[in-house]
Amino acid sequence: DTGVSQDPRHKITKRGQNVTFRCDPISEHNRLYWYRQTLGQGPEFLTYFQNEAQLEKSRLLSDRFSAERPKGSFSTLEIQRTEQGDSAMYLCASSSPEWRSYEQYFGPGTRLTVT
Amino acid sequence: AQSVTQLDSHVSVSEGTPVLLRCNYSSSYSPSLFWYVQHPNKGLQLLLKYTSAATLVKGINGFEAEFKKSETSFHLTKPSAHMSDAAEYFCVVANFGNEKLTFGTGTRLTIIP
Repeated sequence: DTGVSQDPRHKITKRGQNVTFRCDPISEHNRLYWYRQTLGQGPEFLTYFQNEAQLEKSRLLSDRFSAERPKGSFSTLEIQRTEQGDSAMYLCASSSPEWRSYEQYFGPGTRLTVT
Repeated sequence: AQSVTQLDSHVSVSEGTPVLLRCNYSSSYSPSLFWYVQHPNKGLQLLLKYTSAATLVKGINGFEAEFKKSETSFHLTKPSAHMSDAAEYFCVVANFGNEKLTFGTGTRLTIIP
C-alpha cells in the first residue's frame, strides 16, 4: 500500500510532556499538510510544506508546536509541554505536484490524549 | 476568506431512500469544492471534487453533487442509501494558491434499516 502513513496511531501522554508524530506522504507528492480535528468538528489547517519549505502556519499553531520536513519526504510534528487542550486527532495529507491538483490524500491520523 | 456551511449536523434516512446533504459556500472567486467521507476509526476519503469543469460531478459509491453558482451551493446526493453509507460527511473548499482545505463542521449520516 502506498498511501499516507502516520505513526503512532495513538498516543497518551501526561500534561507537560513532549510528543512527536511522524507522517510519510505518498512518495511522488511534494506538498504535505497537517490538520487537527477535535471531537465533533471538521479538520482545521495547521501548516503546509512544499518540498522541505514550510510555507504557511496557522494561528492555531502556537509556539509549542513545530513541524519539519527535512529532506522533503517525511514530516514530523512536535508538541512541547503538552496541555489538555492539545488532545485531538492530528491528520497528515499530501498532494501531487500537478498545478492546482487540489486533491489531498489523508493518512489515518494520530489520536493524542493528554491526561 | 473562503468558507463552507453544512446546513445539517445530522441526517437520518431509511435504507433505499434518497440522501441529500446540504452545503453552501462563500468564496470571492471560483472555488474548488470537495466532499470527503469519514467512517468511524478510518481516514478521510475523497468522494468527489468540483474544479470548474462540469457542474454535475459524479463520485464514488453512487454519490454526486451539483455546483450551483447562483445559489452558492454544492449539495451531495445519492438516489438510494445503503447501510454502508453511515458516516460523517464533510464539505470542503480549497484555498487558491496553497490549496489548503477549509472543512465544514460535518454532517453525520445515519441509515435506518
